[in-house]
Amino acid sequence: DIHMTQSPSSLSASVGDRVTITCQASHDINKYLNWYQQRPGKAPKLLIYDASNLETGVPSRFSGSGSGTDFTFTISSLQPEDIATYYCQQYDDLPLTFGGGTKVEIK
Amino acid sequence: EVQLVESGGGLVQPGRSLRLSCSGSGFTFGDYFLSWVRQAPGKGLDWVGFIRSKAFGGTPEYAASVQGRFTISRDDSQSIVSLQMNGLKSEDTAVYYCTRGVGHSGYDFFDYWGQGSLVTVSS
Repeated sequence: DIHMTQSPSSLSASVGDRVTITCQASHDINKYLNWYQQRPGKAPKLLIYDASNLETGVPSRFSGSGSGTDFTFTISSLQPEDIATYYCQQYDDLPLTFGGGTKVEIK
Repeated sequence: EVQLVESGGGLVQPGRSLRLSCSGSGFTFGDYFLSWVRQAPGKGLDWVGFIRSKAFGGTPEYAASVQGRFTISRDDSQSIVSLQMNGLKSEDTAVYYCTRGVGHSGYDFFDYWGQGSLVTVSS
């Protein structure tokens, strides 16, 4: 199985701050990496697919980069509505696996 | 508008069975892979399995933790995907989400999710 390691597990930042989350895969997964946002009590929502492609309708302050084993997710200017847990997920191989999540809070 | 609506969750004793259903609308149901993803209370996301579209054989794949106990099936005429869960264990307690898979492989990413259905396994 491909293990996905996210860091940090949580972070606190101020509105307007740049926020960066990393995701490391245990094997080379090319660019087969997605990012989801899960607001409290809600279903996850796709933000980024194929490492760097922004899903339709998602604000441009969200971005992703990376390939191989190391990936980065960035919120360029944190907004109050971005309070959520963010997950990376690989689809290079079955079983599909998720990172442990990063909980983002407002300072 | 694409919608996925799960039903069938509830409280069940260990060792018993439960069947979840997911009804899709707003898209051509039969063209898509459908996955189940679960989330234990306070924990992260955990892929359970998916079923391919008929064009790709209509066959399922499962996570090792549920292989042999859970069965995913689909009825494209009713736009329903089902998750039959047998031999339930306490560690199966979770919110179960139905998701639509898209992309070249059919499961590249999940673009729509249901609201989730809570399954609690307890005596």
